[in-house]
Amino acid sequence: QVQLVQSGAEVKKPGASVKVSCETSGYTFTNYAIHWVRQAPGQRLEWMGWINAANGNTNYSQKFQDRVTITRDTSASTAYMELSSLRSEDTAIYYCARDVFPATVMYAMDVWGQGTTVTVSS
Amino acid sequence: DIVMTQSPDSLAVSLGERATINCKSSQSVLYSSINENHLAWYQQKPGQPPKLLIYWASTRESGVPDRFSGSGSGTDFTLTISSLQAEDVAVYYCQQHYSRPPTFGGGTKVEIK
Repeated sequence: QVQLVQSGAEVKKPGASVKVSCETSGYTFTNYAIHWVRQAPGQRLEWMGWINAANGNTNYSQKFQDRVTITRDTSASTAYMELSSLRSEDTAIYYCARDVFPATVMYAMDVWGQGTTVTVSS
Repeated sequence: DIVMTQSPDSLAVSLGERATINCKSSQSVLYSSINENHLAWYQQKPGQPPKLLIYWASTRESGVPDRFSGSGSGTDFTLTISSLQAEDVAVYYCQQHYSRPPTFGGGTKVEIK
């Protein structure tokens, strides 16, 4: 079955960077876009960006444009999200999620990773 | 960015009764040329990621029980659970997938009365 498995929880100091991985299985990795969405405590879900798994093209939310980098390794069927210059407000659960349709970007997400908790604290 | 507003924030419904959740977008999410509303609904249970229930406002994702239905067009949408089951206790989110960035509503918590 289709699965997205994320890396484990992270604790970082302000100003540091974090890189979260999202290993996929059960489908052809390059056929679907991967999105990254975060959920901070008490806040609504927030879309960060997406990557075209086939060619590596990316698009980021303006809010995170200067701090986020999404990459992928097709040989490992894995996507990555790196967030830099961390601050306390970045404390959140970070999810990767597959786009609902192949070969396009619909911005609806049908399969989600289990989430990675990132805590930013001095 | 399109702002998504859900109501109510929470509701308590008896088992077997109907639950109705509303979602309003700050601008239309209808692609009129193809008559598609780009609005999705998700269910999130504690400690779990969101689960896609409905996209295109009314298309049920594979495997989703038919007691879940979506309706509406333009800026006003509704998620209906026709007969609430114990396993439906969760927070429900709407999301527009019409324009970038995709944006989510604040969530509606559904509980058993």
